[in-house]
This record gives sequence, C-alpha cells and structure tokens, in this order.
Amino acid sequence: EAGVVQSPRYKIIEKKQPVAFWCNPISGHNTLYWYLQNLGQGPELLIRYENEEAVDDSQLPKDRFSAERLKGVDSTLKIQPAELGDSAVYLCASSSRGSSSTDTQYFGPGTRLTVL
Amino acid sequence: TQLLEQSPQFLSIQEGENLTVYCNSSSVFSSLQWYRQEPGEGPVLLVTVVTGGEVKKLKRLTFQFGDARKDSSLHITAAQPGDTGLYLCAGAKQAGTALIFGKGTTLSVSS
Repeated sequence: EAGVVQSPRYKIIEKKQPVAFWCNPISGHNTLYWYLQNLGQGPELLIRYENEEAVDDSQLPKDRFSAERLKGVDSTLKIQPAELGDSAVYLCASSSRGSSSTDTQYFGPGTRLTVL
Repeated sequence: TQLLEQSPQFLSIQEGENLTVYCNSSSVFSSLQWYRQEPGEGPVLLVTVVTGGEVKKLKRLTFQFGDARKDSSLHITAAQPGDTGLYLCAGAKQAGTALIFGKGTTLSVSS
C-alpha cells in the first residue's frame, strides 16, 4: 500500500513569492492534516480536514496561508506571499477513523521550504 | 506554553547504554503516542498507549503511560546506532482530535 505522497520534496523561493505544496493521502483515509515542523521541533498542526471539510484551521495564518481539499482526497497548501520565517518542513498526514478510540496518523516525508 | 514537555531535549550516548526519555504534561490525554523521525522523513508511529499505567514493549523499547494519563516515558535498553533519531511524544485530548506534539528528544547513539 502506498504511503502519504508529498511534492515537491524541496522548494527554494525568494521572499514575497507564492508557493504551493501538494499531498496525496493514503487511499481511503478521510482525515488529512497539514503540519509545520521547524528544525529540531515537533510538528504543529496547521489545518485538519474531515473529507473535504476543514474542521480545525485555528492555527492556520489565514492572511497568507490557504488550503483546499477538493473532492476530499488530495490537498494543496499555499503560502502567498512567503516570508523568511516560513522556512520549515511542511508535513502532511492522513488517518482513517476506525472502531478504536485512537486514530493512527501516517505521515508523508514532508516538503522542506527555504525562503531566501 | 508547551502542553507536552519532553526531556531531555538532546541525548548523546554510547552503544549499549540504557536511556529514558520523558514526556510530561499537566493535562490529561485520552491517548499518547510515540513517534521516531529520521532526517528527511516524516514521523513514524512506534506505539500508542491509552490506559493509565499501561506498559508496552517493542523489542528493546519500553513505553509507559502514567496512571493519571498525564505523562509517559520511553526506555531504550542497550541502545544501538540504529536508534539514532528524533523521538516525539504526541497526545490527543479526545479521540478524533488532532495530536499535540512535544518538541522532541534528539538521540544520538555512537558505536
């Protein structure tokens, strides 16, 4: 079974430029997460989707960040315009709500963004 | 305020040594997970604990969930260079909610 796929793996842009990241979750997973991870830190949630609905976007800086999950499968995270402080790894994860009380999240390899 | 405090932040040991990583909080979690992350990769789940006092073993790794479900520990016996990585604890306040991650413990095991 294929894991969570993210692209690109690396992106270098100048500040004030736009950038977009793409995520393809594990087939059948209805929940999709976007996390931001700074070097040597734990991931921090940006947005969580249940199917195509954003159910938790309280930590998403909406002045410059946007996300969409059309059709409840793939998702795109966009930054416009990018700032120097946005340099980080952007992780996508997916999970499937099962009968247990815990959801196992499967992470993609992330996109490392460098803003110059 | 960091909801989940991990300690130590960095750990550098020799092959064969034992170590313990701690994950503490003042909040109660319905479940707590431990992940291991290697450079350039996403976190990979090691274990999930859901019951207070629960102990789970994964080969040389022993995970414990505190009785009050506010803290957890990861103990590695006879560490090997392959154990090197970033160890993250993450808790869910309620089932189906997003995980809250600690800042992680960077472990380096040298031969």
